[in-house]
Amino acid sequence: QQQVKQSPQSLIVQKGGIPIINCAYENTAFDYFPWYQQFPGKGPALLIAIRPDVSEKKEGRFTISFNKSAKQFSLHIMDSQPGDSATYFCAASKAGNQFYFGTGTSLTVIP
Amino acid sequence: EPEVTQTPSHQVTQMGQEVILRCVPISNHLYFYWYRQILGQKVEFLVSFYNNEISEKSEIFDDQFSVERPDGSNFTLKIRSTKLEDSAMYFCASSEGRASDTQYFGPGTRLTVL
Repeated sequence: QQQVKQSPQSLIVQKGGIPIINCAYENTAFDYFPWYQQFPGKGPALLIAIRPDVSEKKEGRFTISFNKSAKQFSLHIMDSQPGDSATYFCAASKAGNQFYFGTGTSLTVIP
Repeated sequence: EPEVTQTPSHQVTQMGQEVILRCVPISNHLYFYWYRQILGQKVEFLVSFYNNEISEKSEIFDDQFSVERPDGSNFTLKIRSTKLEDSAMYFCASSEGRASDTQYFGPGTRLTVL
């Protein structure tokens, strides 16, 4: 059973656009939802994370929107730049246990 | 900024050989993890480790795998008899504690089994 479903698989936007990546989860016990950014040949790097007690969190150009009732959360990248081109993974966990990762979204930002 | 380090960056081995992947977690962290990522696929959890014992493991983490914290700084993953399907990137991660949740990942070791 896939605990976290992520879409789309790939995304191409123009510089300045606002790519949106969506994730849905199954387990209502999950209480931590991070987004990781991964460049080719590198390990995942934490971008931003949210807990279910808030509906939105913003850090710089990155915003997470969280809908607890729908069991969905999404990443928005404002004013996207070519340097944002990477693979983005959402994840979910409960009480500091293992992360369940989504399948990843390959983002390409065209100059 | 403190970071998780892993060695080697790339390991090539013959099927059936034993490999040991090494990690140095962030120094004040208490929880340690191994994940793997088969090329082009998602990151999958293998095992978590706390207080010198395994706290959680996945179905992937079978008897061929073991983890150890041999000293105060290293955290190792051993694969006893490698199979072709073990070829993947292996990531070590660490977190400060259960309450912090945030896991910091190392750069990974690419394991190629021939």
